[in-house]
Amino acid sequence: AQSVTQLDSHVSVSEGTPVLLRCNYSSSYSPSLFWYVQHPNKGLQLLLKYTSAATLVKGINGFEAEFKKSETSFHLTKPSAHMSDAAEYFCVVSGSDSGGGADGLTFGKGTHLIIQP
Amino acid sequence: NAGVMQNPRHLVRRRGQEARLRCSPMKGHSHVYWYRQLPEEGLKFMVYLQKENIIDESGMPKERFSAEFPKEGPSILRIQQVVRGDSAAYFCASSPQRQQGLTEAFFGQGTRLTVV
Repeated sequence: AQSVTQLDSHVSVSEGTPVLLRCNYSSSYSPSLFWYVQHPNKGLQLLLKYTSAATLVKGINGFEAEFKKSETSFHLTKPSAHMSDAAEYFCVVSGSDSGGGADGLTFGKGTHLIIQP
Repeated sequence: NAGVMQNPRHLVRRRGQEARLRCSPMKGHSHVYWYRQLPEEGLKFMVYLQKENIIDESGMPKERFSAEFPKEGPSILRIQQVVRGDSAAYFCASSPQRQQGLTEAFFGQGTRLTVV
């Protein structure tokens, strides 16, 4: 079984300041980890993914995430927030050997990122 | 190459009616997944289909819900005799191969079902 915990339901930062969205996971297997972003009334867009290569993963729009096995964390960061970053962010783990389906992708509950002007 | 297309974007149904949600996967994708997002929740897996086959429906309620992915045409998620608790956003995703641990799935924009 696997699970994802996003530690903050809401994060508010000022434009131009750093962003940190926290994610902890548990998995019985070597996981693949993803961050997705969902803008209002839009579908989910993949920001970045970790699949056991480099532990520091760079994604689109200046986001990056670091896989830390010892801390079972995969926090998402960005050096300088932009107004267009305001959205819902989901941390996702995939790592089952059961062959897709229920254990394929497990989503966190999401973190709502608010950008203050 | 159009992305995953879901329609309708918004659907309102009265209690007891049927809801039909459609999903056309990306061109070349033969694997479709349906997820449900309840308010203030992450997405929860419902069902995984390939063409003409249900591979895993372990996340789908046993009653009133069904899904299909015919040889031709879109995948359909069908909810019979809807109740207020069915109100949610339903997302479809597709991938060219099995989702697990490999390529990411591409998501549609979702269908927001409201039961009144």
